[in-house]
Amino acid sequence: NAGVTQTPKFRVLKTGQSMTLLCAQDMNHEYMYWYRQDPGMGLRLIHYSVGEGTTAKGEVPDGYNVSRLKKQNFLLGLESAAPSQTSVYFCASSSRQSNQPQHFGDGTRLSIL
Amino acid sequence: ILNVEQSPQSLHVQEGDSTNFTCSFPSSNFYALHWYRWETAKSPEALFVMTLNGDEKKKGRISATLNTKEGYSYLYIKGSQPEDSATYLCAYDRGSTLGRLYFGRGTQLTVWP
Repeated sequence: NAGVTQTPKFRVLKTGQSMTLLCAQDMNHEYMYWYRQDPGMGLRLIHYSVGEGTTAKGEVPDGYNVSRLKKQNFLLGLESAAPSQTSVYFCASSSRQSNQPQHFGDGTRLSIL
Repeated sequence: ILNVEQSPQSLHVQEGDSTNFTCSFPSSNFYALHWYRWETAKSPEALFVMTLNGDEKKKGRISATLNTKEGYSYLYIKGSQPEDSATYLCAYDRGSTLGRLYFGRGTQLTVWP
């Protein structure tokens, strides 16, 4: 049972470089989310999607873009990486049914030098 | 900004002790309250999703209660074990934002043998 899979698990970038983080889920969930986790800050929502082709801004969207071209995939892009984007990124998904928990991937540790 | 507060921020107990921590959330527009368990270097895992005032949920030695009128939930661990060491997150769902959760910063529990 794969659940939610994030790739890559680790990445080091230089300031100004771009990259895309991939999240894939095999549970046929409608909702998907990208969070970042920083020390002392808990989980903060970057962007989320309620279905294929739709995305919405979360709490800290600046500097990130997302796309949901297929139901099972949710991509998070950094167009021009900045040191402030050094963080651990978590993807999650959930069913559209009421009161269902979110299922998380194992995280991507990203360092921007 | 929607405030979800957890206390204490961290807690150290001896094996066998019982412990509890608090999650406070807005009492208006309540839809559901989630609890997650987050072990170091792993991803958050759902413990409970609670919806009704007065609700009590139990999973092994862990239980939770919910008071939606005053906006708080307690998580209890009976007879703590070292394997209970983790960060416990609560998350508030106000129901109008299609599965979006507002996370507290967590309570970090360390159980010493």
